[in-house]
Amino acid sequence: EAGVTQFPSHSVIEKGQTVTLRCDPISGHDNLYWYRRVMGKEIKFLLHFVKESKQDESGMPNNRFLAERTGGTYSTLKVQPAELEDSGVYFCASRAIGGELFFGEGSRLTVL
Amino acid sequence: AQTVTQSQPEMSVQEAETVTLSCTYDTSENNYYLFWYKQPPSRQMILVIRQEAYKQQNATENRFSVNFQKAAKSFSLKISDSQLGDTAMYFCAFRRSSNTGKLIFGQGTTLQVKP
Repeated sequence: EAGVTQFPSHSVIEKGQTVTLRCDPISGHDNLYWYRRVMGKEIKFLLHFVKESKQDESGMPNNRFLAERTGGTYSTLKVQPAELEDSGVYFCASRAIGGELFFGEGSRLTVL
Repeated sequence: AQTVTQSQPEMSVQEAETVTLSCTYDTSENNYYLFWYKQPPSRQMILVIRQEAYKQQNATENRFSVNFQKAAKSFSLKISDSQLGDTAMYFCAFRRSSNTGKLIFGQGTTLQVKP
């Protein structure tokens, strides 16, 4: 069974550009989470989807970040326009109801 | 608000020896879960071990064990008989008792196992 997959693994963009990160959760996992680790700091929660609905988006840093999960399958996280402080590793995780959390390898974003 | 602190940014250990990674946390809740996750270089983060706060017995998974001190809010990870494949970044994490995947992580400890 495939795990949580994230694309791209690494993205390098200029300040002001747009980047879209994608996460494919484990099939059948209704819960999908986005986390972010800024260099040298702790991993921080961004938001939580239950199917296609945003259950908790308290960790989203500002309105330059837009997360979607159309159809309740894969999710995208768009950063527009990107700023230098957005650089970091973006992790996606999924979980079945009552199950443990499974993480992807992360998408490294570098904003120059 | 809950916080998790890992005070050791980097550690190293010789192969076959034992190493302990430290983690402290702060919470006013009585029931919660604590976790150690491992992320090898360029690989997925995986769960190493978990501890439920209402259980007094320390969790153990093969060569991995924890020293859970609830009163001191301490949750250290001991790796016995270290192997080269244990080289990774280790994250300590806290979760409230509610059924959720929302975790609060520490800053991480990079562990290097040397041959």
